[in-house]
Amino acid sequence: DTAVSQTPKYLVTQMGNDKSIKCEQNLGHDTMYWYKQDSKKFLKIMFSYNNKELIINETVPNRFSPKSPDKAHLNLHINSLELGDSAVYFCASSLSGDQPQHFGDGTRLSIL
Amino acid sequence: AQSVTQLDSHVSVSEGTPVLLRCNYSSSYSPSLFWYVQHPNKGLQLLLKYTSAATLVKGINGFEAEFKKSETSFHLTKPSAHMSDAAEYFCVVRQYGGSQGNLIFGKGTKLSVKP
Repeated sequence: DTAVSQTPKYLVTQMGNDKSIKCEQNLGHDTMYWYKQDSKKFLKIMFSYNNKELIINETVPNRFSPKSPDKAHLNLHINSLELGDSAVYFCASSLSGDQPQHFGDGTRLSIL
Repeated sequence: AQSVTQLDSHVSVSEGTPVLLRCNYSSSYSPSLFWYVQHPNKGLQLLLKYTSAATLVKGINGFEAEFKKSETSFHLTKPSAHMSDAAEYFCVVRQYGGSQGNLIFGKGTKLSVKP
């Protein structure tokens, strides 16, 4: 029943590793997003995909790469993890770019 | 460029008393504004949205917000706070231009509700 689901919920790993976070939505939405929430609760857009095309690419390090195998999935791959990558990452989706966004429960990434 | 400013980082009320969470916006266009709520260890849930229809917007859980262009404000209110309202609240504006659909978040207001 979950509309936007992310896995894993928690991810603890060491600096330098490569990891992926998966996101799936069953709402039939056309646009999906990734946000980063820092330790002060500030949320900032990282990427969005519309029909498998990247339409927003904010100034995030190229160690972060979104991958969308189909319209219902937008995974986030991170290479060479750094301490500053520790944050909560939220996936979201919307019917189109001007419709309200529905959020997943977040993935808490901790870098040791 | 669009932006939002949440005037209080923390608001504390007693159960049963009114809630007021303040937000001011800046936008070159007629803005689309939202309030989202985030409960601990949860994602964000849409409370309500304003998209140039009625200026008084009613949302879920008894919340409402009034769009006031003259004051560039979009404050969130509720007549009577409930313990379950304790959460982080975000005022959000949609960005226009090259990043259509991009949401710009305020820094959040933590609402505490005392018994």
